[in-house]
Amino acid sequence: GPKVLQIPSHQIIDMGQMVTLNCDPVSNHLYFYWYKQILGQQMEFLVNFYNGKVMEKSKLFKDQFSVERPDGSYFTLKIQPTALEDSAVYFCASSPHWSAETLYFGSGTRLTVL
Amino acid sequence: AQSVTQPDARVTVSEGASLQLRCKYSYSGTPYLFWYVQYPRQGLQLLLKYYSGDPVVQGVNGFEAEFSKSNSSFHLRKASVHWSDSAVYFCVLSLDSNYQLIWGSGTKLIIKP
Repeated sequence: GPKVLQIPSHQIIDMGQMVTLNCDPVSNHLYFYWYKQILGQQMEFLVNFYNGKVMEKSKLFKDQFSVERPDGSYFTLKIQPTALEDSAVYFCASSPHWSAETLYFGSGTRLTVL
Repeated sequence: AQSVTQPDARVTVSEGASLQLRCKYSYSGTPYLFWYVQYPRQGLQLLLKYYSGDPVVQGVNGFEAEFSKSNSSFHLRKASVHWSDSAVYFCVLSLDSNYQLIWGSGTKLIIKP
């Protein structure tokens, strides 16, 4: 079936550095999402993106976070600068419609901030 | 506030045995409920969903779930598990069918040979 690819699966960086998490969504999908899961805690919604714009974001989506999808390529989550509390697994999802039931998730990128 | 509770972080069952993974939700409105599964090194996959109607919903690979409004529950069941069912299972609540999903903490299912 359709797959969402997340690259890399694990990234380790020093606190204060910039990091970009890449997501290759399903090709005909129009809506894109990022979720964050801190180890041992529940997955939480970060942001969703449509037609080049952030549609909604949660309180977890700090000012240091940004998302974009330049020219229909990767859907990216950039964190600049990173903080220790940004260590988590970040899941990307995409969907063809504005509906929870059609979400396709990637396998996640584990970000470790030292 | 809305929440989803999966009380069992880890469940171990023998292959061929029946399975129930528990899920309780808290939401005063109309809940839309999902079970997702994450196999090792793979993305999350939708197992089944409940919007309305028959409280017992069928999913893929022989899974089913039963919605109970009185108990605020959405337990996942399978009559006979296979070793390939080993995965982490997430119960998820969607408020009014939008994308702001509220996730349970997940239950890791371990299948004994």
